[in-house]
Amino acid sequence: EVQLQQSGAELVKPGASVKLSCKTSGYTFSNYYMSWLKQMPGQNIEWIGNIYGGNGGTGYNQKFKGKATLTVDKSSSTAYMDLSSLTSEDSAVYFCARVYSSYIYGWYFDFWGPGTMVTVSS
Amino acid sequence: DIQMTQSPASLSASLGETVSIECLASEGISNDLAWYQQKSGKSPQLLIYAASRLQDGVPSRFSGSGSGTRYSLKISGMQPEDEADYFCQQSYKYPWTFGGGTKLELK
Repeated sequence: EVQLQQSGAELVKPGASVKLSCKTSGYTFSNYYMSWLKQMPGQNIEWIGNIYGGNGGTGYNQKFKGKATLTVDKSSSTAYMDLSSLTSEDSAVYFCARVYSSYIYGWYFDFWGPGTMVTVSS
Repeated sequence: DIQMTQSPASLSASLGETVSIECLASEGISNDLAWYQQKSGKSPQLLIYAASRLQDGVPSRFSGSGSGTRYSLKISGMQPEDEADYFCQQSYKYPWTFGGGTKLELK
């Protein structure tokens, strides 16, 4: 059974950084991309970027370059996202989601983590 | 970026009613479209991929159609457990983008 377990809620001060984790099980981590996504309360979902479990290769939404840094630890099948210079605009729920890629059917998010709520407040 | 415009923003349906949600892309996306269901306080779940293919385990009352820039999700026979937010998402071009969502309630 594919499972994505995300780290717990974070309360951080403005200007600080935070590192979120997404520990996976039930599939071969190095064969898939992992995406990170942002959802502010009552709002649309935004795609932050992808990271490949096999070699750590990344692709980012231009909007989040400089804000988010994606990494992986293959030994523990865990993906990480660092968020830096946090402001109130970064307060949101952040999801990790496995990317299923198919030449015929395209790319889509087939399994999601439960989300991590990040609150930026002094 | 490709803009995904969903309509309606909200709707209510009676038990057993057929419901349709539309998604309009700002340019052609060649059926690289998925639909997700998000229940309150939960993470999204994949319903439909490649515009019309049903994800394993999703009830057959859900179906997707469309081409080019216009796509739709249909629920044939509203059930209480279908109360949720629904989002479309394109993966044709980076950055991948989502529609603004449709809140579906049981009347």
